[in-house]
Order: sequence, then C-alpha cells, then structure tokens
Amino acid sequence: GAVVSQHPSWVICKSGTSVKIECRSLDFQATTMFWYRQFPKQSLMLMATSNEGSKATYEQGVEKDKFLINHASLTLSTLTVTSAHPEDSSFYICSASGSGVLGDTQYFGPGTRLTVL
Amino acid sequence: KQEVTQIPAALSVPEGENLVLNCSFTDSAIYNLQWFRQDPGKGLTSLLLIQSSQREQTSGRLNASLDKSSGRSTLYIAASQPGDSATYLCAVNSNSGYALNFGKGTSLLVTP
Repeated sequence: GAVVSQHPSWVICKSGTSVKIECRSLDFQATTMFWYRQFPKQSLMLMATSNEGSKATYEQGVEKDKFLINHASLTLSTLTVTSAHPEDSSFYICSASGSGVLGDTQYFGPGTRLTVL
Repeated sequence: KQEVTQIPAALSVPEGENLVLNCSFTDSAIYNLQWFRQDPGKGLTSLLLIQSSQREQTSGRLNASLDKSSGRSTLYIAASQPGDSATYLCAVNSNSGYALNFGKGTSLLVTP
C-alpha cells in the first residue's frame, strides 16, 4: 500500500511553454503533499507544501506565480511550471503523507524529469 | 535552519566489504530520520526510518543508528554487493507533517 504516482515521468518542452505535472496518491488520502526539486548532482530541495483545499506554502526563493500548485482533492496535487525556461530543467519529485494507520510517513513519487529546450 | 551533511560524498569499495555512511545534522530536535536509496535518474526508495526515540533500525544487511544528542546517524551496509551501487540520501524530519531536509548524498560504487 501507500503508492504515489507521478505523470508524466519525463517531458521535453520548448522555452516559454507551460508544463503540468501530476502527483497522485493511489491507495490513500493525502492530506499533505510536498514538491521537491533536484538539480544534477544535488540533493532534493523543498519547493512548496500543499494541504488539500488550501493555498500552497512556498519556500523562500521559489516563485509562486511561476510554479503553480493545486491540491484540489485528497488524492491529487498538480505542479504547473509556467513559461518554462532552460534553468527550470530539473527532476521534480512529490511526496504525500496521510493520516490514520499510515501515520505521517511521507511516500515519494517516482519523479518527473523536465527538460526545457 | 536544519542542515544535513553526508560524508563521504563518494565511495568505491570492492564487493564483500562492510561499509559505513555518515550523516550529521545541526539541530538535534528532530522527529525522525530516514535513509533513502536513489538509482541514477530514478526516484527514492525508503530504506530505514528511525524515530527520534529509537537508537537504531535494521533491515537485512542494512543497519541505521541514530545519536540525536550528537546530531549523527550512520548507515551500515554489510557484505556489500554490486547491486548496492546507488546514491544514499539521509533526510531529517523536524516535526510531524513537515517536509524532509535532505543531505547531498553519498554516491556508492561496489565493484565486482
């Protein structure tokens, strides 16, 4: 149990376009979802925290108007990279935590590789 | 702000060796600590999670210890195998419901 999926697994887009990444908790209700970004040879850095039904909380230095996060249901959060540029090329990973028997353990998705040309 | 450091950054060992990966963190007030494995271009695989009240956790050939007061954790891998080659990440959770703070990882290569 406790599976998190991401779609797409990879995407290549042109500079200036927008890209949407989905994060789904397949078999549990995720009250909180986190979005991380990982540049080559670097560790994961938190971008934002989203709770179902509320606005996301962004980390310092992350532009909320550029990285739009929507957590409209307990099983789905989306990250939209608007007007993507080459410097946005990165590995984006989401994690989800539930409640109850799952406790507050975070379950990670497989990641989405974004390449902006 | 919690900072997590992992040493060494890279490690190469021959198959069969026992090895230790180190993780240190600056704020000892943690909720739990987790070790992950990441294969190139892939997501994270959780290996071991140690709650703040625990001293160690074991799973197969892996053993993770936690010394909260000194801000350190170690991941011990026994009888290493080429399949263990990956990047190992240490992550600290400062509180329930909070995001994880990750170290930069240790890149492990086990040679046949």
